[in-house]
Amino acid sequence: NAGVTQTPKFQVLKTGQSMTLQCAQDMNHEYMSWYRQDPGMGLRLIHYSVGAGITDQGEVPNGYNVSRSTTEDFPLRLLSAAPSQTSVYFCASRTRALRRNEQFFGPGTRLTVL
Amino acid sequence: AQKITQTQPGMFVQEKEAVTLDCTYDTSDPSYGLFWYKQPSSGEMIFLIYQGSYDQQNATEGRYSLNFQKARKSANLVISASQLGDSAMYFCAMREGSGYGGSQGNLIFGKGTKLSVKP
Repeated sequence: NAGVTQTPKFQVLKTGQSMTLQCAQDMNHEYMSWYRQDPGMGLRLIHYSVGAGITDQGEVPNGYNVSRSTTEDFPLRLLSAAPSQTSVYFCASRTRALRRNEQFFGPGTRLTVL
Repeated sequence: AQKITQTQPGMFVQEKEAVTLDCTYDTSDPSYGLFWYKQPSSGEMIFLIYQGSYDQQNATEGRYSLNFQKARKSANLVISASQLGDSAMYFCAMREGSGYGGSQGNLIFGKGTKLSVKP
């Protein structure tokens, strides 16, 4: 199993550009989430999904869109990038089957917005 | 109010010694879970240990143990016999709720503690 994969690993955007961060998992996990990590901060939840076709907002959703058309994929879209969105983005997935509900994280995408 | 508080921004420990990383949490939900993750300089998030709110015994995973004091709302991570490879950021996180419903299962993270192991 590849686990949770994210592409790209690094990205530089100009203010106002749009892009999609890709996330995929091959563990058949029901739940997927996007977090962002800023310097000196822990991870903060952007959006999450409890299954295909179902998404909801987390703590910091503004400026981001998500959709979940399949169990495997959960892309994060930046509609009009801003310097405040410079961050490291982590995708995570988990199954509801395990009691401890451990989240499995992807390797992260480091995004810089100029 | 912060739900997860890690009061030690940085810590040093001598190789082969034990170290305790502090974590306090705040929740009114009787069912919750506490997690510790390690983030080395390479950036990935590595799961270390989990403690459920109803677990009677403190969790242990190899050299990691969780000192769970429910009344004090603390969940400190203890690393025994520190190794150079333990140098990393360590994050405490909490899941409110049982984890089986909609948003339940999303994690709330502390700001982390940077551990440096000295040879």
